[in-house]
Amino acid sequence: DVVMTQSPLSLPVTLGQPASISCRSSQSLVHSDGNTYFNWFHQRPGQSPRRLIYKVSNRDSGVPDRFSGSGSGTDFTLKISRVEAEDVGIYYCMQGSYWPWTFGQGTKVEI
Amino acid sequence: EVQLVESGGGLVQPGGSLRLSCAASGFSFITHWMGWVRQAPGKGLEWVAGINPDGSEKSYVDSVKGRFTVTRDNAQGSLYLEMNSLKGEDTAVYYCATLGDHSAVHWGQGTLVTVSS
Repeated sequence: DVVMTQSPLSLPVTLGQPASISCRSSQSLVHSDGNTYFNWFHQRPGQSPRRLIYKVSNRDSGVPDRFSGSGSGTDFTLKISRVEAEDVGIYYCMQGSYWPWTFGQGTKVEI
Repeated sequence: EVQLVESGGGLVQPGGSLRLSCAASGFSFITHWMGWVRQAPGKGLEWVAGINPDGSEKSYVDSVKGRFTVTRDNAQGSLYLEMNSLKGEDTAVYYCATLGDHSAVHWGQGTLVTVSS
């Protein structure tokens, strides 16, 4: 299975300041169809996960533009340009290029 | 608005069985891949199973192969997960999700399955 490794696992942040989370995969996530199926999810305490970013850098509908995704191959990054209070929770990366799809361990973001 | 409502969770003894259901509405169920993702208490996310729109293709994570079966009823707009030979490590919140772009797009609120004697 493809192993997804996130860093850091815990991220103290300051309101209004930028934040960044990294995710590395154990093998290239370029699919045979040429796409890279890499995603970011956010889970607030007591809630279901919500997808933020798909195919590396595409924001889902309703996701604020302070969130951006980048990367290629095996190395990916989620950036928050200015952290807001609602951004706390756990962020997961996920690959969908190989079955079984696999998630990272999660990064806990707290103010 | 997409709505996914899971049900069927509960307490079951090791070796027992349980059937989870997911009622879908607000989108064209018949054209979507669907899946199940689980989250053990205080832990991360794990894909469990996926099924294509007509139910002819199914995929499972190795840890549930031979024990879990994913099915769907397109006429009812429902997704199911039949779980047999349950183990303690199957204890988790099980989420139903729509799949798109090789990912989970919309998620339900989840249903808790506890395997314990």
